Amino acid sequence: GENVEQHPSTLSVQEGDSAVIKCTYSDSASNYFPWYKQELGKGPQLIIDIRSNVGEKKDQRIAVTLNKTAKHFSLHITETQPEDSAVYFCAASRKGGDYKLSFGAGTTVTVRA
Amino acid sequence: DTEVTQTPKHLVMGMTNKKSLKCEQHMGHRAMYWYKQKAKKPPELMFVYSYEKLSINESVPSRFSPECPNSSLLNLHLHALQPEDSALYLCASSQPGTSLLGYTFGSGTRLTVV
Repeated sequence: GENVEQHPSTLSVQEGDSAVIKCTYSDSASNYFPWYKQELGKGPQLIIDIRSNVGEKKDQRIAVTLNKTAKHFSLHITETQPEDSAVYFCAASRKGGDYKLSFGAGTTVTVRA
Repeated sequence: DTEVTQTPKHLVMGMTNKKSLKCEQHMGHRAMYWYKQKAKKPPELMFVYSYEKLSINESVPSRFSPECPNSSLLNLHLHALQPEDSALYLCASSQPGTSLLGYTFGSGTRLTVV
């Protein structure tokens, strides 16, 4: 099955700096890669997703890049703000319609004011 | 409407109780999911419904019984749970097939079994 590794497990950044979270996946058939932000006591919130036919996608301060050859994808948050503090999960789903999302272990991001 | 709505938000139940969790979405998604999430861990898939039919059961104990009455609703019936079943239960929905675009989670039901 798909195995997703996520690094780092914790990340502390100064407000205004950038944050980068990296994930690797094992199954070359994976074709959908969402990122979720989870605040304490809440469900995961989809913040951005990317398909395997796209190399990069951006939404305001958030961007995701995908390298299919290397089987890794990254989340970039620019101009971080205290409200960006949360746990971030990457995920991958393999082509074939089995609907399963394989999650990374999560990254706890703390933005220092 | 881009939300998945779950009720109740919190639930405390005894080990002999029967209760149900409810989930609703109006995004036209035809795939719906139940996940279980323990503290500081990623969500774990329990069940998948595709076009109102159960397509995946991840070897979940029979004390958890899912139901999909229509394309917008998903229920999880609980009976004779154990304290270790205490967790955040998440519902999600997505477009079906291979796209999975917009795979969206609800805010969850925090379940405590006493």
